[in-house]
Amino acid sequence: QVQLVETGGGEAQPGGSLRLSCAASFNLKNFGMHWVRQAPGKGLEWVAFIEHDGNVQNHAESVKGRFTISRDNSKNTLYLQMSSLTGEDTAVYYCARSRQPPPTYYMDVWGKGTTVTVSS
Amino acid sequence: QSVLTQPLSVSGAPGQRVTISCTGSSSNIEAGYAVHWYQHLPGTAPKLLISNNNNRPSGVPDRFSGSKSGTSASLAITGLQAEDEADYYCQSYDSALSDVVFGGGTKLTVL
Repeated sequence: QVQLVETGGGEAQPGGSLRLSCAASFNLKNFGMHWVRQAPGKGLEWVAFIEHDGNVQNHAESVKGRFTISRDNSKNTLYLQMSSLTGEDTAVYYCARSRQPPPTYYMDVWGKGTTVTVSS
Repeated sequence: QSVLTQPLSVSGAPGQRVTISCTGSSSNIEAGYAVHWYQHLPGTAPKLLISNNNNRPSGVPDRFSGSKSGTSASLAITGLQAEDEADYYCQSYDSALSDVVFGGGTKLTVL
């Protein structure tokens, strides 16, 4: 069964850091991957993309310089390193599999998400 | 404020047809970038419904269809069922932002 499982969410203080992980049940090295988030009461917001081999990463302006997407294909795992967290980063974070080359890519498999709460 | 504009809510009775619009601009939909649609029940994984404007992945019922024209795209759902009650999002790419963009989402209520 093709699936993605996110872990690593939890509470963090403003200015703090967290690292999210996303484990894949399929061969991750063949696919680009995204992180997408949903703040409470808000819609989906794209966060970051990484190509299948990790050579290219793109980040949304809202997280640029604070978040870093990475991957370890030998562990079949995607990561999101988050630092300088603010309350606006409070959200459910989803990882998703990418199809088609950028910029017309879309997401065909999603995880169930992990919750990040930034609060003092 | 989302770059792609969707109605906050739509509703319909079981068996009826509803459409959800997604309005963009010259830097995204009108520029020719593909539009994709997702169904999301809070607390669950979002589900791909339509890719590349009008392609249905296998397993998605043919009650769901997509179209695109000019600066807008639409998702149509025919033969509404109670299980269709969810949030729906359009997604594309914006060349001015150089980012993937989502619509603000539309809540579908089945009366």
